[in-house]
Amino acid sequence: KAGVTQTPRYLIKTRGQQVTLSCSPISGHRSVSWYQQTPGQGLQFLFEYFSETQRNKGNFPGRFSGRQFSNSRSEMNVSTLELGDSALYLCASSLGPGHSYEQYFGPGTRLTVT
Amino acid sequence: GQNIDQPTEMTATEGAIVQINCTYQTSGFNGLFWYQQHAGEAPTFLSYNVLDGLEEKGRFSSFLSRSKGYSYLLLKELQMKDSASYLCAFANQAGTALIFGKGTTLSVSS
Repeated sequence: KAGVTQTPRYLIKTRGQQVTLSCSPISGHRSVSWYQQTPGQGLQFLFEYFSETQRNKGNFPGRFSGRQFSNSRSEMNVSTLELGDSALYLCASSLGPGHSYEQYFGPGTRLTVT
Repeated sequence: GQNIDQPTEMTATEGAIVQINCTYQTSGFNGLFWYQQHAGEAPTFLSYNVLDGLEEKGRFSSFLSRSKGYSYLLLKELQMKDSASYLCAFANQAGTALIFGKGTTLSVSS
């Protein structure tokens, strides 16, 4: 079974631009979560989607948004990029309600904002 | 509020046993997870505890005490490949988010 895939793997953007990251979950997984990982703050929860609905959102500004499609694939968007948005963005998938909460992580997208 | 804490760094030698502690505070709880993350790689699942007690899985064991808000990960017969960051996380009440600690970097030397 293929794992979680994320595209692109690396991205360089300049301040003020916007970026869209993509995540394809494991086949059959319907829940997708997004995390930001930085050396100082560690792994921080951004948001979680299940059946195209955002069920939970972390403490991030409105510049961070996401969506999920009917095939469970998900995208996250960051608008008006800031230097502090440089981080590894990880996507994780799980089966969803009624199943184990175990999440499987993708390899991440390394975003550098200059 | 929600809070989760674990030591920043630990060192150990090959063949030894190491215990990584994790304490947490949350009003809603749906299980405690441990993940391993090697440098430059994605976190991989190690263990999940939802009830009090010890869960053993090969060289790795994880313990949970919900009343004390405390968990530990026990690694036995350490190998060089165990050098990694170990992340403790709890699931919120609805199971819609994992709240992670900042991770413990374990260095195993020969």
